[in-house]
Amino acid sequence: RKEVEQDPGPFNVPEGATVAFNCTYSNSASQSFFWYRQDCRKEPKLLMSVYSSGNEDGRFTAQLNRASQYISLLIRDSKLSDSATYLCVVNPGSNYKLTFGKGTLLTVNP
Amino acid sequence: DVKVTQSSRYLVKRTGEKVFLECVQDMDHENMFWYRQDPGLGLRLIYFSYDVKMKEKGDIPEGYSVSREKKERFSLILESASTNQTSMYLCASSPRGYFNQPQHFGDGTRLSIL
Repeated sequence: RKEVEQDPGPFNVPEGATVAFNCTYSNSASQSFFWYRQDCRKEPKLLMSVYSSGNEDGRFTAQLNRASQYISLLIRDSKLSDSATYLCVVNPGSNYKLTFGKGTLLTVNP
Repeated sequence: DVKVTQSSRYLVKRTGEKVFLECVQDMDHENMFWYRQDPGLGLRLIYFSYDVKMKEKGDIPEGYSVSREKKERFSLILESASTNQTSMYLCASSPRGYFNQPQHFGDGTRLSIL
């Protein structure tokens, strides 16, 4: 099983749609979790951290399920500007290294 | 805001050259990282450093070395550049502390080895 696994997509959705991404991780001792977004030919940028209780930031909601070892990202009311690759990121807990998923490509269409 | 600055956005070098990629962060972060990113392979860790003069190998250190003489600066060195080192190189930093610290990335350097 890969350390961090994501559906590569692509996801093509119309503006205003709700879209959800899932990510699974293999190391049950993983300590912390993040979602990053990466625009084409740009650097990854932190979108949000993922907390055990779940957290929301505007149109974005992140959930963590430790028992099943997956995290999710929900985007409501999609905007054209949400088009990007979304990276699932996990700290496996052994040091400060992060393990990155390969990303899910989202395209929001007018 | 955290600022991570990489010395070049685009760089073209020749096979066999020694190549230096520089990264500077302005947030007094203890941890610094070098990654490369290739289509279909995602981000792969080359080296990281958790303190001045300290370094640890990542997943793909072969053909690379690093230097951390000052806290704010982390250099990646391609000892003898080869065409398979053509890639996007990303530097990142994070503070020491609990494991819940995200990493902050520089703009990246697109390196082409001819």
